[in-house]
Amino acid sequence: DIQLTPSPSSLSASIGDRVSITCRASQSINIYLNWYQQKPGKAPKLLIYAASSLQSGVPSRFSGGGSGTDFSLTISSLQPEDFATYYCQQSYSTPFTFGPGTKVDLK
Amino acid sequence: QMQLVQSGAEVKTTGSSVKLSCKGAGYSFAYRSLHWLRQAPGQALEWMGSITPFNNNTDYAQKFQDRVTITRDRAMSTAYMELSSLRFEDTAMYYCSTTTGGAQSFDPWGQGTPVTVSS
Repeated sequence: DIQLTPSPSSLSASIGDRVSITCRASQSINIYLNWYQQKPGKAPKLLIYAASSLQSGVPSRFSGGGSGTDFSLTISSLQPEDFATYYCQQSYSTPFTFGPGTKVDLK
Repeated sequence: QMQLVQSGAEVKTTGSSVKLSCKGAGYSFAYRSLHWLRQAPGQALEWMGSITPFNNNTDYAQKFQDRVTITRDRAMSTAYMELSSLRFEDTAMYYCSTTTGGAQSFDPWGQGTPVTVSS
């Protein structure tokens, strides 16, 4: 199975901060990497698909990049509604796998 | 608007089975793969398996291969996931979601069904 390792596992930030999360895959997955946001008690929400494509309706402050084994999710200016846990997920091969998540909270 | 609506909460005893449902609306049910995932309390998401309603092809994670069965009723635009031989560690929120296209990203998601396994 393809393992995904995010960094950091958690971070504290302030409103307006630029925040970046990285996700490393245990093998090359081309651009088959997706990012999700999850808030407590809610289902995950797709933010970025195919490494860098912004899902319809998602604010443009979210962006993604990378290919192969190293990927990133960036929030250009953190907003109050962005405090959540972020998961990367590989769709290169089954079993589809998720990273353990990065929790973003208020500093 | 695409939507997935899941069945209600379940409380089961160890060794029993649970069967959950997921009804799709607002899209061509037959042509989007339907996946089941779960999330134990405080844990990451875990993919269990999927079905392609059009041809009934299934794909299961090896971890669940012996205990999970995913089926569908095309006429009802509904997919089902049955998990047998339940253990305490199967206590989790179970989600359904769909994928399409090359990216195979999960969107949308159902609201989730909590399953509690007790003795």
